[in-house]
Amino acid sequence: EPEVTQTPSHQVTQMGQEVILRCVPISNHLYFYWYRQILGQKVEFLVSFYNNEISEKSEIFDDQFSVERPDGSNFTLKIRSTKLEDSAMYFCASSEEGYGYTFGSGTRLTVV
Amino acid sequence: GESVGLHLPTLSVQEGDNSIINCAYSNSASDYFIWYKQESGKGPQFIIDIRSNMDKRQGQRVTVLLNKTVKHLSLQIAATQPGDSAVYFCAEGNNAGNMLTFGGGTRLMVKP
Repeated sequence: EPEVTQTPSHQVTQMGQEVILRCVPISNHLYFYWYRQILGQKVEFLVSFYNNEISEKSEIFDDQFSVERPDGSNFTLKIRSTKLEDSAMYFCASSEEGYGYTFGSGTRLTVV
Repeated sequence: GESVGLHLPTLSVQEGDNSIINCAYSNSASDYFIWYKQESGKGPQFIIDIRSNMDKRQGQRVTVLLNKTVKHLSLQIAATQPGDSAVYFCAEGNNAGNMLTFGGGTRLMVKP
C-alpha cells in the first residue's frame, strides 16, 4: 500500500536554529499538507499546498514557517528560527482529490 | 470559535464487545467527516469517512453515523479486538478539503 514517508523520525534542534522537515507524498497525489500535534493535544492544521502554491494556512503558520516542493517528489516544511513551543510531532499528509488524506508517521521535533 | 469535540476521553471495552465512540461538531457548514485511528508513535490512520448528504456508512467492522440535526458523529466498531486499542479522532472537513479540524481524541482500551 502506498505510504507517505517522513524524515527524520526525530529531530533535536537548539532554539533559534532552522530546521527542515522532509516528506515524500504518495506519487499520484496532488494535495499536500502539514499538521502538528503537541504532546497530548489535538492534531492541528498548519498548511495545505496544491498546484505549487499554498491554498490554506492556519494562524500557527506564521512568517517563521514555509513550505516548498523543490522537485517532483519532496514536500518540505521549514521553520526558520525555532522556538521551544515548536516542539511537537509534525505530520505530513497527501491526498488525490482533497479528501481521503494519507498521513505519514511523523517527525518528532524537540527544541532545546 | 467553532470546533469539533469528543464526549468521552477514555473508553474501555471487553474484547468481542461493540464499541461506540462519539463526537460533537459545531460547524454546520462542514460537509465531510472522517474518523482516524492513531496508535502510539504513528500518524493518524484513515478509518472511514462520510459526507453530509449521508447519515450512515459502513466499512469492515466499522460504521459511521451522522446526525446533522444535533451535529453528532459516532463510530461503531463491531466485535472489538485488542488491535483496535488506540486513540480515535473525528475530524471535519470544509473549504473543499483544504483543511481538517480534529477533535480532541478518545482513547479506546480493549480488555482481553
